[in-house]
Amino acid sequence: KAGVTQTPRYLIKTRGQQVTLSCSPISGHRSVSWYQQTPGQGLQFLFEYFSETQRNKGNFPGRFSGRQFSNSRSEMNVSTLELGDSALYLCASSSGLNEQFFGPGTRLTVL
Amino acid sequence: GQSLEQPSEVTAVEGAIVQINCTYQTSGFYGLSWYQQHDGGAPTFLSYNALDGLEETGRFSSFLSRSDSYGYLLLQELQMKDSASYFCAPPPSNYQLIWGAGTKLIIKP
Repeated sequence: KAGVTQTPRYLIKTRGQQVTLSCSPISGHRSVSWYQQTPGQGLQFLFEYFSETQRNKGNFPGRFSGRQFSNSRSEMNVSTLELGDSALYLCASSSGLNEQFFGPGTRLTVL
Repeated sequence: GQSLEQPSEVTAVEGAIVQINCTYQTSGFYGLSWYQQHDGGAPTFLSYNALDGLEETGRFSSFLSRSDSYGYLLLQELQMKDSASYFCAPPPSNYQLIWGAGTKLIIKP
């Protein structure tokens, strides 16, 4: 079974721009969660999608949004980028149990 | 937000046993997961404790005490490949909690 894939792996953007990250979950997994990881920090939960619906949302500003498609693939969008948005963005899929399977992440650098 | 607390770094010797602690302060906590992350890699699931007590999976064991708001990961017969960061994490139902910042495990030969 193929694992979770994320594209692109690396991105460099400038302040004010917007960015879209993509995540393809493990086949059959309907839950996709997004996390932000910054150096020395734990993973901070952004949101979770299940069957094309946002099920849970973390404490991030409205500039962070996402969606999920009928094939369970998910996208995350960040608008009006700020320097502090530089981070590793991780996507995780789950079959509904407590184990999450993470993708390799997208490293976003905002200049 | 409320976060899980764990030591930033632990050093141990190859072949030894090491314990990584995790504490939290929140009500309605439903369990504790542990993940391993090698430098440049993605977190990989190690274990989940839904109930109090010890869960053993090979060389790794995890413990949870909900009354003490405390858990730990125990790694036995340490190998160099165990050098990584270890995170304690809330279950998906506690999604508002911030994961622990990770414990960097340094193993010396």
